[in-house]
Amino acid sequence: EAQVTQNPRYLITVTGKKLTVTCSQNMNHEYMSWYRQDPGLGLRQIYYSMNVEVTDKGDVPEGYKVSRKEKRNFPLILESPSPNQTSLYFCASSLRPLANTEAFFGQGTRLTVV
Amino acid sequence: QQQVKQSPQSLIVQKGGISIINCAYENTAFDYFPWYQQFPGKGPALLIAIRPDVSEKKEGRFTISFNKSAKQFSLHIMDSQPGDSATYFCAASSNDAGNMLTFGGGTRLMVKP
Repeated sequence: EAQVTQNPRYLITVTGKKLTVTCSQNMNHEYMSWYRQDPGLGLRQIYYSMNVEVTDKGDVPEGYKVSRKEKRNFPLILESPSPNQTSLYFCASSLRPLANTEAFFGQGTRLTVV
Repeated sequence: QQQVKQSPQSLIVQKGGISIINCAYENTAFDYFPWYQQFPGKGPALLIAIRPDVSEKKEGRFTISFNKSAKQFSLHIMDSQPGDSATYFCAASSNDAGNMLTFGGGTRLMVKP
């Protein structure tokens, strides 16, 4: 089954404790992105990648890091999480750039930073 | 500052009625306008999309209307059903924006039986 898999689905952590949210897709897509979803603000793009070792900032990259060492994986790293990063996070992948095609989203990761 | 503004934030419609969600954008470089549907506990999924060279696109009960001069587009759900109850997001992108996709704030739709 074609899918985007995120782990974990739920995470509660403390301020300053480094964490990684993993994202993997099995569709051989070149393009991948991370979003955060907050009430009233919709989804805001954090980072995106157009290929292995090619990443760029989205609208809200502060406090986040990403890496793309393999085509299928695109982990999101929070080096020192803060409470304002409490949110619902989604990873997405697409075959072509998002101005031309459908994005396939994972199930989401609900992160709480206390 | 949101580049894509969506309204209303929430909407209640009776079964069989028409649901209308509106979006306005600022960036005239946007040239791809998708709508995503999200059910609770799930990620968004593409519902329907339009490009500015057409004023309307229909897929089943779902229609996008596009007004390029007003920089507005809307989603119409005809004969709304309880199964349509979900959160709907409009979005916009442009070919010269890399892999950027800008979303509206979302509309929570409830269709009452």
